Amino acid sequence: GAGVSQSPSNKVTEKGKDVELRCDPISGHTALYWYRQRLGQGLEFLIYFQGNSAPDKSGLPSDRFSAERTGESVSTLTIQRTQQEDSAVYLCASSLSQAETQYFGPGTRLLVL
Amino acid sequence: ILNVEQSPQSLHVQEGDSTNFTCSFPSSNFYALHWYRWETAKSPEALFVMTLNGDEKKKGRISATLNTKEGYSYLYIKGSQPEDSATYLCAFIRAAGNKLTFGGGTRVLVKP
Repeated sequence: GAGVSQSPSNKVTEKGKDVELRCDPISGHTALYWYRQRLGQGLEFLIYFQGNSAPDKSGLPSDRFSAERTGESVSTLTIQRTQQEDSAVYLCASSLSQAETQYFGPGTRLLVL
Repeated sequence: ILNVEQSPQSLHVQEGDSTNFTCSFPSSNFYALHWYRWETAKSPEALFVMTLNGDEKKKGRISATLNTKEGYSYLYIKGSQPEDSATYLCAFIRAAGNKLTFGGGTRVLVKP
């Protein structure tokens, strides 16, 4: 079956612009996570959605970052007024429930000039 | 703050040698522990999900053990091959309803 998909695969933007990243999880997966990996760094948690519960936003680095998820489907991560330090690979993962195996998408590589 | 520690941070292994490394996590309210392999320029892929104290899982030359009472898991690679070169991540979940928390990873480089 289809895996987790993300779009765009690459995004180059100018400092100060807003960007929107999209994640399509595996159908039926109630849990969805956003992570990022900056150059030379490890996996950094951003936000977690579980079913209809309030999302865990504890990893969002600033109020320029926000994310939404409609039900148990698509999620969008929005970064407003992008900064150069936002350059990273943004990964989305979904799982059947919060304790099950996470399936990662291919990532969106964001470069802020 | 939930601390999931992995050691060592990096490891160089000669092809054919076996190796192992550690994931440490809080021992209270254990729910599950995951292991993932993350190759360069790819996305992390699941290796194991472990839930019971004493669990041992195996996938080819890679295996893992779990001790929930003392809060650690070992990952073993037997007869390392260059294709085993990757970052190995563990992730811990404390209790049902909580999110998965990843460690910093152990970066393994297998030299031919």
